Amino acid sequence: GENVEQHPSTLSVQEGDSAVIKCTYSDSASNYFPWYKQELGKGPQLIIDIRSNVGEKKDQRIAVTLNKTAKHFSLHITETQPEDSAVYFCAAFRTHSGTGFQKLVFGTGTRLLVSP
Amino acid sequence: DAGVIQSPRHEVTEMGQEVTLRCKPISGHDYLFWYRQTMMRGLELLIYFNNNVPIDDSGMPEDRFSAKMPNASFSTLKIQPSEPRDSAVYFCASSASSLYLTGESYEQYFGPGTRLTVT
Repeated sequence: GENVEQHPSTLSVQEGDSAVIKCTYSDSASNYFPWYKQELGKGPQLIIDIRSNVGEKKDQRIAVTLNKTAKHFSLHITETQPEDSAVYFCAAFRTHSGTGFQKLVFGTGTRLLVSP
Repeated sequence: DAGVIQSPRHEVTEMGQEVTLRCKPISGHDYLFWYRQTMMRGLELLIYFNNNVPIDDSGMPEDRFSAKMPNASFSTLKIQPSEPRDSAVYFCASSASSLYLTGESYEQYFGPGTRLTVT
């Protein structure tokens, strides 16, 4: 099955700096890669995603890059702000060709702390 | 829409007791997911439903866990009997249709979770 590894587990930056979180996946059949942000006491919320036929996607201060050959994808946050402090999860999605089962496999999470 | 609604938000119970967690998905969504989140294992998919039918329950840890979706607006996750190692945050999520909608993002909308503590 799919395995998603995420690094680092914690990341501390100063306000205004950039933050980069990296993930690798194992299943080449995975074709969709979302990133979720989880604030304290809340459920994860989608912030950006990328499909396997795209190499990069940007939305204001956040961007995601995908290297299908290396099975790597990364989240980039520029001009970080204290409200960016949260736990970020990457995920990989695939549909099993035999069963049709769909599954979103999450990474272990990165706790980002942005200090003023 | 109020989003995905879960109840209770917190549950403390003693080992051996039955626990029932409840979820109301977003209206119109035809996929419903139950996840468990722990420090050790992260966010794990337990089971998901499509149009009220359980599709993949391979993530359900043991026979002590069961889930039902009697209609499109309600689902339960039951643990009987509960054990201390079941302590976790349980999330319900819902989504509309499948990934393969051209140009659409595939978002699973998560509820606020139920924090379960089994003593």
